[in-house]
Amino acid sequence: EPEVTQTPSHQVTQMGQEVILRCVPISNHLYFYWYRQILGQKVEFLVSFYNNEISEKSEIFDDQFSVERPDGSNFTLKIRSTKLEDSAMYFCASSEWDTPNYGYTFGSGTRLTVV
Amino acid sequence: AQKITQTQPGMFVQEKEAVTLDCTYDTSDQSYGLFWYKQPSSGEMIFLIYQGSYDEQNATEGRYSLNFQKARKSANLVISASQLGDSAMYFCAMRFETSGSRLTFGEGTQLTVNP
Repeated sequence: EPEVTQTPSHQVTQMGQEVILRCVPISNHLYFYWYRQILGQKVEFLVSFYNNEISEKSEIFDDQFSVERPDGSNFTLKIRSTKLEDSAMYFCASSEWDTPNYGYTFGSGTRLTVV
Repeated sequence: AQKITQTQPGMFVQEKEAVTLDCTYDTSDQSYGLFWYKQPSSGEMIFLIYQGSYDEQNATEGRYSLNFQKARKSANLVISASQLGDSAMYFCAMRFETSGSRLTFGEGTQLTVNP
């Protein structure tokens, strides 16, 4: 079964450092997403991406965050200058269609720890 | 504003028994999709079952079924014949017609299956 692949599974970084989280969506999917889950809290939407541009972003997705599809397979989330409160599980997801009756396939997540 | 509520922070069930996890929502949208995800302690997000707002029959997927009561705005997950491997966090999530492509998650219910 096709899957969304995220690397690394766990990353520890110093506060103020830049991090790049990587994702390989399912090959025929056109819509890509990032979500985050702070430990013990619910999953929150960050951004959606289609046709090489951001289609929607939440209030969490400020200027410290950026997304990119640098080639035909990877989808990345960059945090420019990490803060302690960026520590969370980050999920990438992809979907083939963008309608309310169509869900996502999630990756297994990257656990980011900022120290 | 759309909102999802999972009122049970924790649930316990005996192995081989059935359990119902509650999910209620608030929306004025006519078209929406309801999803349940399982998150084991390892952290990945596993899709379980989907129900569309216009679907007349309740969704079923193996031991999972969705008790969809549209007038009451509830979409409870029923797990039959619980197994020890069902112990996990369960999230109700929705895509709303007027909320673009984002999934909105509930707070989650931690299910523990006892032997």
